Amino acid sequence: EVQLMESGGGLVQPGGSLRLSCAASGFTFSNYWMHWVRQAPGKGLVWVSRFNTEDSSTNYADSVKGRFTISRDNAKNTLYLQMNSLRAEDTAVYYCATTGMSAYYFDYWGQGTLVTVSP
Amino acid sequence: EIVLTQSPDFQSVTPKEKVTITCRASQSIGSSLHWYQQKPGQSPKLLIKYGSQSISGVPPRFRGSGSGTDFTLTINSLEAEDAATYYCHQSSDVPITFGQGTRLEIK
Repeated sequence: EVQLMESGGGLVQPGGSLRLSCAASGFTFSNYWMHWVRQAPGKGLVWVSRFNTEDSSTNYADSVKGRFTISRDNAKNTLYLQMNSLRAEDTAVYYCATTGMSAYYFDYWGQGTLVTVSP
Repeated sequence: EIVLTQSPDFQSVTPKEKVTITCRASQSIGSSLHWYQQKPGQSPKLLIKYGSQSISGVPPRFRGSGSGTDFTLTINSLEAEDAATYYCHQSSDVPITFGQGTRLEIK
């Protein structure tokens, strides 16, 4: 059974940093494209970043480019999101999700971890 | 950036009714359009892939159609458990984008 479990969320002050983790199990993690998607309270889904497992390239939404870094440790079956220079508008539930061995539809999602950026 | 516009934003419907949600892309995306259902407090769940392909375990009352720029999610004979927000998503280009969501309320 595929499982994705996020952790690392919490309350942080504006300008602060936080690292999210997503522990994966039930599939060959190293072969799967992984993403972060966020959802502000009461709002819609917004894609944040992805890690291309084929060439280890990464992509980011313009709103987080230069502040957030996605990475993965295949030995630990874990995906990370390092978030720096956090702003109030980064407040959201952050989901990790996979599009399998391609870059297409999100077939599995974690339960999400809440990040709150507030003084 | 490819913008996805869903309509309506909100719909209040009765059980057994047929519901149609549309998703329009700002440029052609072929069949790279997928649909999700999200219930309050839960993660999104994949309903339809590549515009019209069904997903194992998803009730057959959920149907998708369309290609290019215009797509439709149809829910036949709505059930109370279908109360949720529905999102379309395009995987044609980066940045990946979602529609703004359509909230369905069951009367």
